[in-house]
Amino acid sequence: AQSVTQPDIHITVSEGASLELRCNYSYGATPYLFWYVQSPGQGLQLLLKYFSGDTLVQGIKGFEAEFKRSQSSFNLRKPSVHWSDAAEYFCAVGPTSGTYKYIFGTGTRLKVLA
Amino acid sequence: GAVVSQHPSWVICKSGTSVKIECRSLDFQATTMFWYRQFPKQSLMLMATSNEGSKATYEQGVEKDKFLINHASLTLSTLTVTSAHPEDSSFYICSARDGRLAGKGEQYFGPGTRLTVT
Repeated sequence: AQSVTQPDIHITVSEGASLELRCNYSYGATPYLFWYVQSPGQGLQLLLKYFSGDTLVQGIKGFEAEFKRSQSSFNLRKPSVHWSDAAEYFCAVGPTSGTYKYIFGTGTRLKVLA
Repeated sequence: GAVVSQHPSWVICKSGTSVKIECRSLDFQATTMFWYRQFPKQSLMLMATSNEGSKATYEQGVEKDKFLINHASLTLSTLTVTSAHPEDSSFYICSARDGRLAGKGEQYFGPGTRLTVT
């Protein structure tokens, strides 16, 4: 079955510390991969995406993610977290053709300590 | 570019009434739109996929007679919650796919609509 797993429901880091949010997927073929951020009561903002090519993807707000095919993972990283990064983060995968329906992970809630 | 809007952003309605939520792609043609529902502190659940000019495809467990979806143009899709009940209270998010980007399945998300049924 197709699925996306975000193993960490909550993560707390201190401001200025590095961050890594994990995402693993189970899919029939290499899908398109996305990371979104959602602030309370808001919609989703795309942080970055992977379609093909370089497996290290740079996004907005200083985020990057690395696609590892052998591990079926697409982990999100940031070298130095800012207090404004506190939010909910969702990993999503989508097919490269057909219905284009996404499968979302359950999300990771990030708390940043001052 | 690739902006999706939703209206209203917040709506309160009485139990038994119907409410319509609009989703518009402002600067691109959305051949496919998606409707999601999100409960507090939970992930997004896909409700249905709508293609312009054709009937929506609903996910398993979603009542098509309760959640009416219309995608009458390349820039507008509507979700009507009929005979709303308090359990329909939720955050509804739409997304749209740009049909010009063949092979690139990226969806653009709207800001969401908070529905509260009293």
